[in-house]
Amino acid sequence: QSVLTQPPSVSAAPGQRVTISCSGGSSNIANNYVSWYQHLPGTAPKLLIYDNNKRPSGIPDRFSASKSGTSATLGITGLQTGDEADYYCVTWDTSLSAVIFGGGTEVTVL
Amino acid sequence: EVRLVESGGGLVKPGGSLRLSCAASGFAFSTYGMNWVRQAPGKGLEWVSGMSGSSPYKYNVVADSVKGRFTISRDDAKNSLFLQMNSLRAEDTAVYYCARVYCPDGVCFSGGAFDIWGQGTMVTVSS
Repeated sequence: QSVLTQPPSVSAAPGQRVTISCSGGSSNIANNYVSWYQHLPGTAPKLLIYDNNKRPSGIPDRFSASKSGTSATLGITGLQTGDEADYYCVTWDTSLSAVIFGGGTEVTVL
Repeated sequence: EVRLVESGGGLVKPGGSLRLSCAASGFAFSTYGMNWVRQAPGKGLEWVSGMSGSSPYKYNVVADSVKGRFTISRDDAKNSLFLQMNSLRAEDTAVYYCARVYCPDGVCFSGGAFDIWGQGTMVTVSS
């Protein structure tokens, strides 16, 4: 059971928008930067978002993120079949003195 | 090309030891914080350990699940990161990735933002 809670799965049709929530607490999300990853089986995870809402170069603006209080959200617009993957939020937990990942959310394009 | 390549995985009996290596190339390895992240079969990503590079802020941290059993280290002269794993348990079975801390424009985000990952090495703990 992860300290960061994500929905196990979300789905939408091609071209639509999905959002993935990441719920934490005062020792993690509320006071630390949140990052997001896309992970396809058998490949290395890809950094999508860092510093709560910034995209590394090369990440399309279809991916966006926000943070409010103890929760963070990743949004994907213009959903494509290539977006089918597992998505993880991650941050530092000050109480645990550890990097913590959410449990992951599987995105399915219907 | 910026690259990380893990090695050293394999099959080991419970209670045994393994030493994972991560060879870095294409960037100034010594200046970057580095981490190990694992994924057990059918499970999500789990951070294992991380250590600083040559920045003034030094850190060497490990997850509670491996504390006292795993040790992270690095050899900057050989551009290599290591993970010494002792007293291995079945629940340590996973693909182990090394990952570089993301430092855009010289500002590093060590709280889980990793921009370069290796392809992973499989560790299986079984009798």
